[in-house]
Amino acid sequence: QKEVEQNSGPLSVPEGAIASLNCTYSDRGSQSFFWYRQYSGKSPELIMSIYSNGDKEDGRFTAQLNKASQYVSLLIRDSQPSDSATYLCAVNFASGGSYIPTFGRGTSLIVHP
Amino acid sequence: GAVVSQHPSRVICKSGTSVKIECRSLDFQATTMFWYRQFPKQSLMLMATSNEGSKATYEQGVEKDKFLINHASLTLSTLTVTSAHPEDSSFYICSARDLGRLQETQYFGPGTRLLVL
Repeated sequence: QKEVEQNSGPLSVPEGAIASLNCTYSDRGSQSFFWYRQYSGKSPELIMSIYSNGDKEDGRFTAQLNKASQYVSLLIRDSQPSDSATYLCAVNFASGGSYIPTFGRGTSLIVHP
Repeated sequence: GAVVSQHPSRVICKSGTSVKIECRSLDFQATTMFWYRQFPKQSLMLMATSNEGSKATYEQGVEKDKFLINHASLTLSTLTVTSAHPEDSSFYICSARDLGRLQETQYFGPGTRLLVL
């Protein structure tokens, strides 16, 4: 069973703080990892993708990948109330020659003023 | 770029009727599209993987005769909910992979909210 695990939260941080979201996955052979943001009642939108070990930064967002520990995280610097949403971790698992996306249950983030 | 549209955005129908939802990749080609369902406050559930020109691959527990998927072109996939019942009421979301760029990246449509009375 290929799984993606996330703490459902909610994670509550004050405005301006760093929010840290974590995700673990079960398939050591996975190569592609994604973070999506989903506002209530809306569909997910892609924030970051990461493929190599280490950090990848894009504006206030930093994705971190550690394949040995099967762990991927998302840091949000200078958190804003508008960042309040559910963050979904997705991992592409190899299956029959293609890659099937598997999503975690999502972590709810609340940024309070 | 990488825009995916869905139509309709919202539909209300009577129990027993069929509903068709369209998913289009507007500015890229997608050999693979995915159909998800999401109930309130729950996670995304993958229903099926739709491949252009071939039969869809359904996830365990999803009735292929009830949820008909057609992927006739590189930019269009349709999901038909046949003989819909109130328990089929949900948020249906499609996504598509952009062949031309990062092959494994999915882009989501805005979703279709289905209410079956």
